[in-house]
Amino acid sequence: DVKVTQSSRYLVKRTGEKVFLECVQDMDHENMFWYRQDPGLGLRLIYFSYDVKMKEKGDIPEGYSVSREKKERFSLILESASTNQTSMYLCASSLSPALGPQHFGDGTRLSIL
Amino acid sequence: KQEVTQIPAALSVPEGENLVLNCSFTDSAIYNLQWFRQDPGKGLTSLLLIQSSQREQTSGRLNASLDKSSGRSTLYIAASQPGDSATYLCAVRRRGGSEKLVFGKGTKLTVNP
Repeated sequence: DVKVTQSSRYLVKRTGEKVFLECVQDMDHENMFWYRQDPGLGLRLIYFSYDVKMKEKGDIPEGYSVSREKKERFSLILESASTNQTSMYLCASSLSPALGPQHFGDGTRLSIL
Repeated sequence: KQEVTQIPAALSVPEGENLVLNCSFTDSAIYNLQWFRQDPGKGLTSLLLIQSSQREQTSGRLNASLDKSSGRSTLYIAASQPGDSATYLCAVRRRGGSEKLVFGKGTKLTVNP
């Protein structure tokens, strides 16, 4: 069965901290994605990766970076966390070419104090 | 620029009713359209994926249709149950080399016992 696992369901950090959100998929998918979801704004794509060490900016990449050293793992990094990055973060993966569905993890609720 | 709209934003129905959720998109050049379900505080669960060459897909009590020329998709839920209460999102994958999905903001469905 398809499985996308996000390392934390809830996370609380302080402004200025460097924050790592981890995502692992066990389906050998080429594509991996990071979204954030906010009330009234819906899902917005931050970054995606179509292969190991490859990445592409999404719609709102500012303040974020990503790392994909292994095919199964995609990390989202908040270089210096700010309160406006408090949000629900969702990771997803899909096969390439992406004619199949995207599969999502359970999300990480991140609060920046 | 592709835009996806879901109307209504919220819907409340009595148990047992058949219902239709609507999704419209502005650019008909899509690879596929995907319907998701999201329970409060959770990630997205993929329900149905319709390729651009298909007209509909069915899974149990769910049936999704696609009319690319008019830029519309519907999700039909038969004999609704309280357990169907959730937010339903649609997303399109546009043509043009990108693996990205464009999401609607969802319809929040409440099925009352």
